[in-house]
Amino acid sequence: AQSVTQLGSHVSVSEGALVLLRCNYSSSVPPYLFWYVQYPNQGLQLLLKYTTGATLVKGINGFEAEFKKSETSFHLTKPSAHMSDAAEYFCAVRVNTGFQKLVFGTGTRLLVSP
Amino acid sequence: EPEVTQTPSHQVTQMGQEVILRCVPISNHLYFYWYRQILGQKVEFLVSFYNNEISEKSEIFDDQFSVERPDGSNFTLKIRSTKLEDSAMYFCASSKTTSGEETQYFGPGTRLLVL
Repeated sequence: AQSVTQLGSHVSVSEGALVLLRCNYSSSVPPYLFWYVQYPNQGLQLLLKYTTGATLVKGINGFEAEFKKSETSFHLTKPSAHMSDAAEYFCAVRVNTGFQKLVFGTGTRLLVSP
Repeated sequence: EPEVTQTPSHQVTQMGQEVILRCVPISNHLYFYWYRQILGQKVEFLVSFYNNEISEKSEIFDDQFSVERPDGSNFTLKIRSTKLEDSAMYFCASSKTTSGEETQYFGPGTRLLVL
């Protein structure tokens, strides 16, 4: 069965610092991987996704993630944090069988201080 | 930009009562989903729905839950007799296809509190 582990329920950075949110997955078949962001009182918004092809994926708001099969990882990064990045971030895996439910991690809350 | 909407945003109910959570998926989407997130826990899949039928459901989705597309726009989740442990944020999502790379678009959620 597929699963996702997000290390760190909370990550704190200063404005302008590097953001690194960790995600490791488990899947017996090639996965499709997603990062969603949830701003306060809003729904889950897709940041980026990996399906096939290039392993470095760029998303919205300057975020990117790299799929590393050997490490079963899909960490999310942003070179320079902005106050508006404060939100909850969810990593999810989806396998192209059946009706493709998403399997989510527990989420990481990003806190950005001035 | 089209978006998934959900009503109500918050619902408080007494244990044993029935609740209906409503969702309006994106208009040209054919596949619909419900997920839930108990406070402090993972977002969990409940059910997927296509062509007026449940296509997949989790073990959480027992007989007290049901889904329906009563008209061409709404997609509802009914909980017949709520329990304290049903307190959670419920998210509706929709997608055009079920291709693995297809994006599921989520609504803002309904926070359900069962007292």
